[in-house]
Amino acid sequence: QKEVEQDPGPLSVPEGAIVSLNCTYSNSAFQYFMWYRQYSRKGPELLMYTYSSGNKEDGRFTAQVDKSSKYISLFIRDSQPSDSATYLCAMMDSSYKLIFGSGTRLLVRP
Amino acid sequence: EAGVAQSPRYKIIEKRQSVAFWCNPISGHATLYWYQQILGQGPKLLIQFQNNGVVDDSQLPKDRFSAERLKGVDSTLKIQPAKLEDSAVYLCASSLGKGAGNQPQHFGDGTRLSIL
Repeated sequence: QKEVEQDPGPLSVPEGAIVSLNCTYSNSAFQYFMWYRQYSRKGPELLMYTYSSGNKEDGRFTAQVDKSSKYISLFIRDSQPSDSATYLCAMMDSSYKLIFGSGTRLLVRP
Repeated sequence: EAGVAQSPRYKIIEKRQSVAFWCNPISGHATLYWYQQILGQGPKLLIQFQNNGVVDDSQLPKDRFSAERLKGVDSTLKIQPAKLEDSAVYLCASSLGKGAGNQPQHFGDGTRLSIL
């Protein structure tokens, strides 16, 4: 069993839709949770960074962590074609080593 | 602020040949990472440097991979000899410090390696 599971997609939505991206994990020691966005042929860039359970909002993006269920989510409101990318969840325990999910490809249709 | 620079962007070699990648981190970033990203997967940490020293190389295949960071700035990653399964994008990242303050890690655009 992988430490971090993520549906590879692709997920195709119309412009303006609310997008929900999710990851599950097995290691209860994970404390820090991140979402990265990766455009084609580019390196990942950090979108959201949360510690422990709860919600965090930044513009059109909301990150949600439920440690009791070992489940994290990223919501994108009013999705735009420029949001089309691969979204990677990532987690750290006290060793501070990043463990990535395999990524979900998102396509936002104009 | 200039980003993380990597070269070359693309490399094609035959199996059993050797190859080297170069990384120049963001100025002032003490921590440098090399990741391997196989198609359809997330990046996997190969090695982490704090200044000149190695912090974590537990997932580096040391029989064929080597890395160094001279003078605590630029770094090179070498594969010798290459195997077919080494086909991947090799990403370099850097950050200011270590620990939770290690975020964000800033990534370069990677070197795409194809083994024939």
